[in-house]
Amino acid sequence: DAGVTQSPTHLIKTRGQQVTLRCSPKSGHDTVSWYQQALGQGPQFIFQYYEEEERQRGNFPDRFSGHQFPNYSSELNVNALLLGDSALYLCASSLKGAGNTGELFFGEGSRLTVL
Amino acid sequence: QKEVEQDPGPLSVPEGAIVSLNCTYSNSAFQYFMWYRQYSRKGPELLMYTYSSGNKEDGRFTAQVDKSSKYISLFIRDSQPSDSATYLCAMTPLDTNAGKSTFGDGTTLTVKP
Repeated sequence: DAGVTQSPTHLIKTRGQQVTLRCSPKSGHDTVSWYQQALGQGPQFIFQYYEEEERQRGNFPDRFSGHQFPNYSSELNVNALLLGDSALYLCASSLKGAGNTGELFFGEGSRLTVL
Repeated sequence: QKEVEQDPGPLSVPEGAIVSLNCTYSNSAFQYFMWYRQYSRKGPELLMYTYSSGNKEDGRFTAQVDKSSKYISLFIRDSQPSDSATYLCAMTPLDTNAGKSTFGDGTTLTVKP
């Protein structure tokens, strides 16, 4: 059973650049959520995609955008990178039809460093 | 003030000890309560989830929820060095789907052989 896969695992960018992170959800899951985890902090909700639409959004600026594809995979895009965007970006998948049990299955994350 | 507060630790215990990890929260809409374990440089892994108040046991792990006090706990019995990790509590309201969880900042646990 394939778990949540994310790519790339590590990347380094400079201020002002743009980055795209990718996620494939766990087999059978249809909902993808993205989280930002700064060093020493808990994950912070960025947004969630279901049926190829953004369904919920956390307190993040419009520089953060995303997309979900028909095969349920997802991308997170961050424009005009700031030093403060350096973090571990986590993708989590769930199954909407299973109801709100609160269970999320996380990938291992993409570690972004902005110089 | 954060919606979810978690004792930051770090917490260091000898092997075999009973560990107690705790979170408090302020949003009374939270109905689902989860505990995740995160090893260094890895993604969080779901350990246990509980709906509303009560206890839930799974092997060496017991989760407790006291909604009247807005307080949740995770107990680890017979702790092992492999339990050394950061433990994150997370919570979700009933009226939203599973994606938007609110996390604590984690407690780092070290179990010494």
